[in-house]
Amino acid sequence: SQTIHQWPATLVQPVGSPLSLECTVEGTSNPNLYWYRQAAGRGLQLLFYSVGIGQISSEVPQNLSASRPQDRQFILSSKKLLLSDSGFYLCAWSETSGNNEQFFGPGTRLTVL
Amino acid sequence: DQQVKQNSPSLSVQEGRISILNCDYTNSMFDYFLWYKKYPAEGPTFLISISSIKDKNEDGRFTVFLNKSAKHLSLHIVPSQPGDSAVYFCAASAGGTYKYIFGTGTRLKVLA
Repeated sequence: SQTIHQWPATLVQPVGSPLSLECTVEGTSNPNLYWYRQAAGRGLQLLFYSVGIGQISSEVPQNLSASRPQDRQFILSSKKLLLSDSGFYLCAWSETSGNNEQFFGPGTRLTVL
Repeated sequence: DQQVKQNSPSLSVQEGRISILNCDYTNSMFDYFLWYKKYPAEGPTFLISISSIKDKNEDGRFTVFLNKSAKHLSLHIVPSQPGDSAVYFCAASAGGTYKYIFGTGTRLKVLA
């Protein structure tokens, strides 16, 4: 069966510090991968998605970037965090063909102080 | 522009009664819809989906209805249970793409 891992589970970082959140998927090959953010009281906002290694699409202009160095690894980064980057970050994967539900990881709670 | 809207931020229902969660969309190209359930500090879990070729899909206590002319879908939970208390998101995609647009969520509270 497939599983998706995210770490860390929680993170407190000062403004201006760098960020690296990692997501890995097991039990599947060539998945589509996604990064979402849920800000307090808001819905799920799609930040990035990837259909293959090195292929990243950005949905919203922001202070963050994403990379996919391996087939089942997706990394969310920032060089300098802003207060507004605080939120709950979710990684998800889906099969590549047709309409398929997305399966979400446990999430990372990021607080920028 | 919010293409998928859940206009009720919260809903309270007595245990055993029906819960109805609503979702509206504006993009007529959307042809596949999903509902997710999310507990605090956890990732959302998939509940049920519906394709635009159908107007109803049922799975146990959960039924999703789609009204394409009104661009409206709803999730019915019958009977509601306290464990159903969570935030529910609807999501939509167009043309077999892998991008889903999520609504802002509705917090359901089932009262024992």
